Amino acid sequence: QVQLKESGPGLVQPSQTLSLTCTVSGFSLTSNSVHWVRQPPGKGLEWVGAIWSGGSTDYNSALKSRLSISRDTSKSQVFLKMNSLQTEDTAIYFCTRGGRGYWGQGVMVTVSS
Amino acid sequence: DVVLTQTPVAQPVTLGDQASISCRSSQSLVHSNGNTYLEWYLQKPGQSPQLLIYKVSNRFSGVPDRFIGSGSGSDFTLKISRVEPEDLGVYYCFQATHDPNTFGAGTKLELK
Repeated sequence: QVQLKESGPGLVQPSQTLSLTCTVSGFSLTSNSVHWVRQPPGKGLEWVGAIWSGGSTDYNSALKSRLSISRDTSKSQVFLKMNSLQTEDTAIYFCTRGGRGYWGQGVMVTVSS
Repeated sequence: DVVLTQTPVAQPVTLGDQASISCRSSQSLVHSNGNTYLEWYLQKPGQSPQLLIYKVSNRFSGVPDRFIGSGSGSDFTLKISRVEPEDLGVYYCFQATHDPNTFGAGTKLELK
């Protein structure tokens, strides 16, 4: 069955780089896109970006300069890297398959010194 | 970027009643391929969002038929007939027609 699972550090220091991994199973990354969505505590959902089945990417305009999404199809993994982290980047980060019918459980990332 | 405006911010309901949520877009969500990529999600506390409706009016697998999506162009509505306890939570609309994709701010469906 389709599964997605996010992993990464729970705590990151301000100005540092966040690295998250989304490990998927039950589908192929070369046939499906994967999106990242985040949610600050107590707030709404924000689309972060996506990597498409062909490997191209799209990013949230406000995050574009700090964000990179890539993948390793052999390992069924998608990676999110965001640099120059600030406290406003504190959020639950979700990955979801294109079509968004399947989501990971999310990983909480806190930006704090 | 496309802005999605959801109203109301909160919708108090009595169980068994109908609820209606509006989502208006700052521009048409009709894609150049003719499809309209407007989706609806429900997020319950402590859970990941769950897809209810895709392409305006198509229910995702397993979604009860009391959830009805409608609309066109830049004006969309989600109706929930006969609200049940498991329907309570925050509803979001989302557009995947234009890059970057965007979410509405959410509507909280709560008990009166």
